[in-house]
Amino acid sequence: KAGVTQTPRYLIKTRGQQVTLSCSPISGHRSVSWYQQTPGQGLQFLFEYFSETQRNKGNFPGRFSGRQFSNSRSEMNVSTLELGDSALYLCASSPNTGELFFGEGSRLTVL
Amino acid sequence: AQSVTQPDIHITVSEGASLELRCNYSYGATPYLFWYVQSPGQGLQLLLKYFSGDTLVQGIKGFEAEFKRSQSSFNLRKPSVHWSDAAEYFCAVGLVTGANNLFFGTGTRLTVIP
Repeated sequence: KAGVTQTPRYLIKTRGQQVTLSCSPISGHRSVSWYQQTPGQGLQFLFEYFSETQRNKGNFPGRFSGRQFSNSRSEMNVSTLELGDSALYLCASSPNTGELFFGEGSRLTVL
Repeated sequence: AQSVTQPDIHITVSEGASLELRCNYSYGATPYLFWYVQSPGQGLQLLLKYFSGDTLVQGIKGFEAEFKRSQSSFNLRKPSVHWSDAAEYFCAVGLVTGANNLFFGTGTRLTVIP
């Protein structure tokens, strides 16, 4: 069974730009969560989607948004990038048992 | 507010020695508890989880953890560390089963020396 796939793995953007990250969950998993990992703040929950609906949301500004498609694939978008948005963005899928399966992440660098 | 504390930022152990990583949580009720491991450049892998029942849980790679309600702790242990165990370890809590917004500790980096 294929794992969680995140694309792109690495990307560089400049301040003010926007970025879209993609996540393909494990087949059959309907829940997709997104986390931001930085050296200063650690792992922080962004949001979770289940059956195309946002089920939970963390404490991030509205510049961070996401969506989920009917095939459970998910995207997250960050608009008007700031230097502090540089991070590893991790996607996790779940069969809704509380167990999360993480992808390898998308490393975003904002210059 | 809920919080997870991993008091040890960095631990160094010799290969073959025993290991214990500490985790304390703050929450009004018993949360769902997890330990994850992250190797450099990789995502997180679940080592073990506690939802209810037996307070000593077994995980993958020879790890175990014990939930102690009186101490609000969920410490991770391994009797004999291997060089491949060098990684960063995260304790996490979930408040509602099936809800996937976990709160993570700041992590403990494990170095294994030959």
